[in-house]
Amino acid sequence: GAGVSQTPSNKVTEKGKYVELRCDPISGHTALYWYRQSLGQGPEFLIYFQGTGAADDSGLPNDRFFAVRPEGSVSTLKIQRTERGDSAVYLCASSSTTVASSYNEQFFGPGTRLTVL
Amino acid sequence: QKEVEQDPGPLSVPEGAIVSLNCTYSNSAFQYFMWYRQYSRKGPELLMYTYSSGNKEDGRFTAQVDKSSKYISLFIRDSQPSDSATYLCAMSNTGGFKTIFGAGTRLFVKA
Repeated sequence: GAGVSQTPSNKVTEKGKYVELRCDPISGHTALYWYRQSLGQGPEFLIYFQGTGAADDSGLPNDRFFAVRPEGSVSTLKIQRTERGDSAVYLCASSSTTVASSYNEQFFGPGTRLTVL
Repeated sequence: QKEVEQDPGPLSVPEGAIVSLNCTYSNSAFQYFMWYRQYSRKGPELLMYTYSSGNKEDGRFTAQVDKSSKYISLFIRDSQPSDSATYLCAMSNTGGFKTIFGAGTRLFVKA
């Protein structure tokens, strides 16, 4: 079956511009996660959704970053007034369950490589 | 200090060697301990997870967690060139929701 897909695969923008990154989770997965991975680093947690609501957005670095998941499926990560330091690979993952008492495996997409000039 | 520390390597070994990868952590609330493998320009994929302390084996891979020392390990037996990748340790204090990753160790297995 289809895995997590992310579009675009690459995005080049200029400092100060607005960008949107899209994530299509595995069909039926109720939880969706966004991470940011800088060169030579591990993924850094940004936010996760259970259904339509953000269950934990503690990783969003500042108010320039915002994410939505209006219908509980596709999610969009929005970055306003981009800065050169925002350049990274943005990874999306999804998981099928939302039970805290058991492990919920996250399946990752290939990421969107964002370059801010 | 980062919550999860992992030596970025690179680590280069000959084919057939036993590989040992390690992480330390500071948050005693972590309950789930994961190892992911990531190939270049791909997303991470889960290799194994362990709940609390103990060992877990899956084929050539063995994961160990020592919560008293806040230390986790991944052992790869009979390493193959196809094992060449970045290995990420990761931890969570819930059911794997908010997950904290180490920096990743780059492994090269030479034929």
